[in-house]
Amino acid sequence: DSGVTQTPKHLITATGQRVTLRCSPRSGDLSVYWYQQSLDQGLQFLIQYYNGEERAKGNILERFSAQQFPDLHSELNLSSLELGDSALYFCASTRGGGNTIYFGEGSWLTVV
Amino acid sequence: DQQVKQNSPSLSVQEGRISILNCDYTNSMFDYFLWYKKYPAEGPTFLISISSIKDKNEDGRFTVFLNKSAKHLSLHIVPSQPGDSAVYFCAAGNSGAGSYQLTFGKGTKLSVIP
Repeated sequence: DSGVTQTPKHLITATGQRVTLRCSPRSGDLSVYWYQQSLDQGLQFLIQYYNGEERAKGNILERFSAQQFPDLHSELNLSSLELGDSALYFCASTRGGGNTIYFGEGSWLTVV
Repeated sequence: DQQVKQNSPSLSVQEGRISILNCDYTNSMFDYFLWYKKYPAEGPTFLISISSIKDKNEDGRFTVFLNKSAKHLSLHIVPSQPGDSAVYFCAAGNSGAGSYQLTFGKGTKLSVIP
């Protein structure tokens, strides 16, 4: 158990809809990262927050957004969903000064 | 442009033998490297890391070697066990970037045959 909690574990939704994925980082961790893993793809970095502020942005679509709240939990919002958004979305966290990031178990999103 | 490449999508090894997983990178700004292991339906689990100031790091059955001039690293598992069967991801980061985000390869699926 990495200590990173993600909900929901599985989600099926229709094209055009909007979903929110939630992440609670490890206790004491200030940085939260979101990664996407599609079929046959590696882990693609989407976005990072550090203590409530956006720190780095990767290959995140404009239809996607994220935020980190004062209690340090984070949400990833995916809107106008397309079939190609079906993927495993991972949240990870670290204290900010370390190099190792710890992953949650992921949220499986299926868009039908 | 794939900055971290794992050119072998899969690898099969007999139990007890050595497993060698390879990884190449192109970004010379990367200064630390990690290996993660992933079982189906689970998140990646940190395995071992190495800083660019070292060329080897060992942890039990796992050893990571780094060849900076060749921009190549490898993970050795000795002896391999059936429980090692998983997908292994190589990851690299740039500590000077300030964000500690990692760039991952696409993974190598290791199958250890009993």
